[in-house]
Amino acid sequence: KAGVTQTPRYLIKTRGQQVTLSCSPISGHRSVSWYQQTPGQGLQFLFEYFSETQRNKGNFPGRFSGRQFSNSRSEMNVSTLELGDSALYLCASSLIGGNTIYFGEGSWLTVV
Amino acid sequence: AQKITQTQPGMFVQEKEAVTLDCTYDTSDQSYGLFWYKQPSSGEMIFLIYQGSYDEQNATEGRYSLNFQKARKSANLVISASQLGDSAMYFCAMREGVNNAGNMLTFGGGTRLMVKP
Repeated sequence: KAGVTQTPRYLIKTRGQQVTLSCSPISGHRSVSWYQQTPGQGLQFLFEYFSETQRNKGNFPGRFSGRQFSNSRSEMNVSTLELGDSALYLCASSLIGGNTIYFGEGSWLTVV
Repeated sequence: AQKITQTQPGMFVQEKEAVTLDCTYDTSDQSYGLFWYKQPSSGEMIFLIYQGSYDEQNATEGRYSLNFQKARKSANLVISASQLGDSAMYFCAMREGVNNAGNMLTFGGGTRLMVKP
C-alpha cells in the first residue's frame, strides 16, 4: 500500500515568487492536512481538508492557501514568498477521525 | 500556555537499554488523542503509537509503549531495547475533541534521541 506522497521533495524559490506543493494521500484516506516545520517555530498546523472542504485552518497569513480535489489529492500554495517561508512542509492523511495519521516525506522549500 | 511540553531537548541512551521520553499535555477536552512520531534526518514523520483519552490500557506497538497517566496529564513514550536506528527526533502530539477534530495535531518541541553503541 503506497504511503503519503509529496512532490516536489526539494525546491528553491526566490523571494516574491509563488510555489505550489502537492500531496497524494494514502488510498481511501479523505482527510488531508498540512504542517510547516521550521527550527524556530517547530511544527505548526496550516490547514486540513476533507471531501474538498477546508475543515480547520491554522494561524497563517492569507498567502498560504490550499485545496483538495475530488480524488482527495491536495495542493498548497504560498504566494509572495518570504525568506521566513523556508521550511519543511509536511502533508498528513488519515481516515476521518482515524487513530493513525500518516505523514509524507515532506517538501523542503528554500526561499532565497 | 504550551499545550504539549517535551522537557528533554536531547537524550543519550546505550544500545539495548530502555529509554523514556517525557511528554505532558494541557487540554480541557474530555475526549482527545495522543500520538508519538519519529523523525529521522530525512524529514519523514513516522507514526509510532496512539493513545485515546478513554483507553484504559496503555498502548503498545512492538518495542514502543506509552505510559499514560491521565490525572498527571502525561503520555511518556518508552522504547525498549534501543537500537542504533532509533536515533532521531521524537515528537509528541495531541488531537483535541476527537469526534470532530479530523487530523489537526498540536506538536511538542521534540526530543532528540541519540543511541550510543
